[in-house]
Amino acid sequence: GAVVSQHPSWVICKSGTSVKIECRSLDFQATTMFWYRQFPKQSLMLMATSNEGSKATYEQGVEKDKFLINHASLTLSTLTVTSAHPEDSSFYICSAGQGDYNEQFFGPGTRLTVL
Amino acid sequence: GQNIDQPTEMTATEGAIVQINCTYQTSGFNGLFWYQQHAGEAPTFLSYNVLDGLEEKGRFSSFLSRSKGYSYLLLKELQMKDSASYLCAAGDSNYQLIWGAGTKLIIKP
Repeated sequence: GAVVSQHPSWVICKSGTSVKIECRSLDFQATTMFWYRQFPKQSLMLMATSNEGSKATYEQGVEKDKFLINHASLTLSTLTVTSAHPEDSSFYICSAGQGDYNEQFFGPGTRLTVL
Repeated sequence: GQNIDQPTEMTATEGAIVQINCTYQTSGFNGLFWYQQHAGEAPTFLSYNVLDGLEEKGRFSSFLSRSKGYSYLLLKELQMKDSASYLCAAGDSNYQLIWGAGTKLIIKP
């Protein structure tokens, strides 16, 4: 199956700093990448959908100026959490899709802890 | 509106069979997915149904009835490692996945 990687796997940062998370599709070209957030014991929450070369589409309630998404190539998307606060501490998961087929291949996730 | 319903939590015994139900309402329909998610890990793909009927894959089977907006995931010969959350997701006409909240499955010895 298709492989998606994320880096870093976990990160601890101070409040007010920015953190960048990378999502890469290793063996296929991902026309669409999705960013999810998951708080403990809760289900996945879609944050945004990004297509290569165009601006991301954010879900309602997600601040686009705080969660910057860049999808510069068919194999790489980045999520930058700007001016992170403790309430941004969460498990961030990306997934990648191909064309119109709904199946999404998930990365292993990045656990962010903001002190 | 678009909606996915599945039970919040289920408990079953090792070696037994359990069925996790999912009902969906979407704008258009492009398939029903089941994912498994262990605590602290990302989801992993289990099955995809787009036609009515049962798809069997080892100990796991998934069923779909499009007319009823209904699917279930059937797990046989339960093992302790099957303890996880099971996520139901339906693809809508825009090929977006609509996610259920997940069913936490607890396996007891």
